[in-house]
Amino acid sequence: SQQGEEDPQALSIQEGENATMNCSYKTSINNLQWYRQNSGRGLVHLILIRSNEREKHSGRLRVTLDTSKKSSSLLITASRAADTASYFCAPYNAGNMLTFGGGTRLMVKP
Amino acid sequence: KAGVTQTPRYLIKTRGQQVTLSCSPISGHRSVSWYQQTPGQGLQFLFEYFSETQRNKGNFPGRFSGRQFSNSRSEMNVSTLELGDSALYLCASSSATGLARYEQYFGPGTRLTVT
Repeated sequence: SQQGEEDPQALSIQEGENATMNCSYKTSINNLQWYRQNSGRGLVHLILIRSNEREKHSGRLRVTLDTSKKSSSLLITASRAADTASYFCAPYNAGNMLTFGGGTRLMVKP
Repeated sequence: KAGVTQTPRYLIKTRGQQVTLSCSPISGHRSVSWYQQTPGQGLQFLFEYFSETQRNKGNFPGRFSGRQFSNSRSEMNVSTLELGDSALYLCASSSATGLARYEQYFGPGTRLTVT
């Protein structure tokens, strides 16, 4: 199995700004998923992007995937204080479990 | 549909005791995964069950075990608790079938404190 490595580990921005988080992984994947976790709670699935997709949107979220570079990015546009959370990427390849990296801690200041 | 439920939500145990945590997946989901989350180690995969069979296992000692019932509900057991087992234990269910992996739906977690 493999896990993603998120970068940066922590990010602090003002409300209204965009937030970009990156994820790198090591081997081929079937899909890559992004999750959010508010402090001390369960994770919430944000978006799943398949290996044959390059970009996906969901509301204010935009995810890109570059399989040649084995990397993905999550962009949150027009951030809000409620977006303050930890964000995790989870690359998946067939037959293995879904594992998570250390996450990016995002702080959005009002 | 009701979400993933975990019981209990909070638990305090003494070193050396054992504990059983329960997870009820979303109706229709047959895959249940368990994770341990600590400030030092982050989110670590424990095991995954699919149709009552353990499909994957993380790198944890044999004190950690689990099972899944025919109704897809799952339990995990930790025997001979150690202080380092204090963590948030998260359960997630998925509609994944075979080798495909879809999004996972997480429960609120069980906060275990070992004293």
